[in-house]
Amino acid sequence: SYVLTQPPSVSVAPGQTARITCGGNNIGSKSVHWYQQKPGQAPVLVVYDDSDRPSGIPERFSGSNSGNTATLTISRVEAGDEADYYCQVWDSSSDHQVVFGGGTKLTVL
Amino acid sequence: EVQLVESGGGLVKPGGSLRLSCAASGFTFSSYNMNWVRQAPGKGLEWVSSISSSSSYIYYADSVKGRFTISRDNAKNSLYLQMNSLRAEDTAVYYCARDRSLGGATSFDYWGQGTLVTVSS
Repeated sequence: SYVLTQPPSVSVAPGQTARITCGGNNIGSKSVHWYQQKPGQAPVLVVYDDSDRPSGIPERFSGSNSGNTATLTISRVEAGDEADYYCQVWDSSSDHQVVFGGGTKLTVL
Repeated sequence: EVQLVESGGGLVKPGGSLRLSCAASGFTFSSYNMNWVRQAPGKGLEWVSSISSSSSYIYYADSVKGRFTISRDNAKNSLYLQMNSLRAEDTAVYYCARDRSLGGATSFDYWGQGTLVTVSS
């Protein structure tokens, strides 16, 4: 089955840029989606199809995907961005399985 | 406003059964593929199952295949998850989530608040 690998944690100072990676075999050939989850809340979609943002999501959130790594970039990080972030793909090669990465805890210092 | 409201969670003994429901409103439910995603306490997200808009296509995670059954009633704008032969490792918050696009196999743009299932003797 397809595996997505994320770093357990990323730390960044306010105002700086956070980059959260999501590794997978030839992930560049798939559409990658990113979710933000704050404690006690349901996940929120922040980037879909590698780099598109749903309405209401700040432009500070952006995504890219190439080769074996997809990246969620959060510019001008704010305290309110502190959360867990998950990447997700559909793996149509294995009976249409949805795969989530293990999640990355973003800490704003 | 799109709303997804789960219900039916609770405490159940190992080997027992439970049926979760998800009531949808604010959109044309019958047009969208729907999904169940769970999260064990302190752990990450785990996809459980997906069902197409007309119930023609159904998929399960290997961890629940043969024990869980997803279904929907488009007339009632409701999604269901029948869970049988429950195990301790099924303990989690269960979310229902909507596919973002009508074509399916995409991201999940709306999520419910979740319902907690605890499997313990």
